[in-house]
Amino acid sequence: ETGVTQSPTHLIKTRGQQVTLRCSSQSGHNTVSWYQQALGQGPQFIFQYYREEENGRGNFPPRFSGLQFPNYSSELNVNALELDDSALYLCASSPDRAETQYFGPGTRLLVL
Amino acid sequence: EDKVVQSPLSLVVHEGDTVTLNCSYEVTNFRSLLWYKQEKKAPTFLFMLTSSGIEKKSGRLSSILDKKELFSILNITATQTGDSAIYLCAAMIYNQGGKLIFGQGTELSVKP
Repeated sequence: ETGVTQSPTHLIKTRGQQVTLRCSSQSGHNTVSWYQQALGQGPQFIFQYYREEENGRGNFPPRFSGLQFPNYSSELNVNALELDDSALYLCASSPDRAETQYFGPGTRLLVL
Repeated sequence: EDKVVQSPLSLVVHEGDTVTLNCSYEVTNFRSLLWYKQEKKAPTFLFMLTSSGIEKKSGRLSSILDKKELFSILNITATQTGDSAIYLCAAMIYNQGGKLIFGQGTELSVKP
C-alpha cells in the first residue's frame, strides 16, 4: 500500500510569484488536508478537501487555494508569495473527514 | 479561540529513562486527541484517543486521555536514542470536516 506522497520536495521562489504543490493520497482515502508548518512551530490547518469539495478552512487568506481531483489527489496553490510563506507544507490524507490523518513527507518552500 | 498547549517544550534524558509528555486542550467541537512523532519532515501517527480513561499502548509508548480535565499524556518507557524527535499532540475538531489543532511540540533528546 502506497503512503501519502508530495511533490516537489523542495522549492525556491521569489516574492510575488505563484506556486503549486501536489499531494497523492493514500489508497482508499477520500479526504485530504493541508497544513503549513513554520520553523519551530506545530502545523497550522489551511483547508480540507472531501470528495472534491472544500470542507473547512483555517485562517489563511484567499491567495491560498486548492483542488481535489476525482482520484482524490490534491493541489495547493499559493498566489502572490510573501516572505512569511516560507515553511514546510504538509498534506495529510484520511479515510474520511474525522478519521486519523496520515501525513506525507512535505514540501519545503523558501520565498526570497 | 481553539488552543492546544504542550509541556515541556524540550526535554533531555538518558537512555533507559522514562518520560511523560503533557498536552492540554481548549477547543470547541472536540472529536479526538492524536499524537504524532516528527523526526525530519512527515509527522508519523502514534495514537488516536477518543474515550476518556482508556490507555492505548504500542510497545514502550502509551497514552491516555482525560476529557473532564482536558488533557492527555504520552509516556515513553526505557527510552532509546531512536526516540529522539519532536512529539506533536493535536486535537481534532469536527465542524464541516475534521481539522487538527496542533500544539507547539515537545522536542525530546535521548542521550546515550
